[in-house]
Parts: sequence; C-alpha cells; structure tokens
Amino acid sequence: DSGVTQTPKHLITATGQRVTLRCSPRSGDLSVYWYQQSLDQGLQFLIHYYNGEERAKGNILERFSAQQFPDLHSELNLSSLELGDSALYFCASSVEASLNEQFFGPGTRLTVL
Amino acid sequence: AQSVSQHNHHVILSEAASLELGCNYSYGGTVNLFWYVQYPGQHLQLLLKYFSGDPLVKGIKGFEAEFIKSKFSFNLRKPSVQWSDTAEYFCAVTPNSFQKLVFGTGTRLLVSP
Repeated sequence: DSGVTQTPKHLITATGQRVTLRCSPRSGDLSVYWYQQSLDQGLQFLIHYYNGEERAKGNILERFSAQQFPDLHSELNLSSLELGDSALYFCASSVEASLNEQFFGPGTRLTVL
Repeated sequence: AQSVSQHNHHVILSEAASLELGCNYSYGGTVNLFWYVQYPGQHLQLLLKYFSGDPLVKGIKGFEAEFIKSKFSFNLRKPSVQWSDTAEYFCAVTPNSFQKLVFGTGTRLLVSP
C-alpha cells in the first residue's frame, strides 16, 4: 500500500458523459500527478499540481481538467467522454515539486461504452 | 522525437534464469532514471532510481540497473528470477530534472516455475 488512495476503483459510463476521479495523496505530500494508462498510448503524464497550483501539463485533452483542493486531494474531471478515453487513470504523489520519488495509487479503471 | 524505449515487450523466463531488460532514452542533458514494477492487479511500485553518483544502482528484491550515459541506457538486471517476479516493468525518465515521468511502453515478464 503506497498511501495514495483513489476512488472509485472502477467506473463504467457512456459516451458523452462526464465523470470525476478522486485522489488523496500520502499524508504530507504536496504534489499530485495524474497519469493515463491505455493499451495504445501506454503510460502518459497528464498534469501536475503542487500545493493547489498547476505546475505542469502533459498530454491532457481540453475535455479534461483537474484541480487540487486546500486539503490537497485532487480531482480529475473528464467530460464529453469518448470510447478512446477508456483507460486506467493513476494518481501519484510526492513530497515536493522538485524531483523525488512519486508514489502511485491503485488507479481508477474507466470504461466508456 | 524524444522518448523512452523498451525493446522487449514480452519476456518469458524459467525460474533461476538471469534477466536483463533494456531501456534507452533520447533526452539530452540531465536525466533522472527509474524502474517501476506493476504486479498483476496492483499499482506501480518503484524498484530503483538513479539521480547521480554510482551508475550501478541496487534496488529492492534483488534488482539492479546500470546507467551508461554514453549509450543513453539504463538496463535492469536480476541474476536469478523467481515466479513472483512475474509482472510488467516500466522504465521512466524525468528529462532535464522536470518532475513529470516519461514512461517506456513496458515489458511484460512471465516467469514459469
């Protein structure tokens, strides 16, 4: 157990819908990262938040957005869902914004039908 | 394009065989290197990391990796694999010390008893 929690574990929804994935970082970690793991794209970095502020963006679609709240948990919002958005979404956390080890959560498996 | 390459997509070994998984990256400048493992149904776990210093890095569970700067490589090794090493292994790089992890496509290792 890495100490990073993600809910829900599984999510099944239809095209065009909107979902919210939640991540709670390890106690004391200020940075949260979101990654998407799909069969065709592999593991890709989406976005990084540090202490409530966006720090870096990766291959994140405009239909996706994220935020980090004052209690440091983070939410990833996915809207106008398409079949291709089906993937495993991982959250990771680390102590600071500078380089150190990232601890990964168990992931949320999203299936878009 | 800048990337991380893992040349072996699937590897099948018998118990006690030696393992070497290749990882090459194409980023210049300072990089930090990681190997993560994902056991079936579980989250990503850090096996080992290289930031600086001795290019031969020892990780958990008997794994080690060697950073060869001239070859842009960070190969993972284990002298004698066990059935419990069956998992997917990901090489990852943080280019130019930026915090986002860029992952390779992963190598699925199957160890037969």
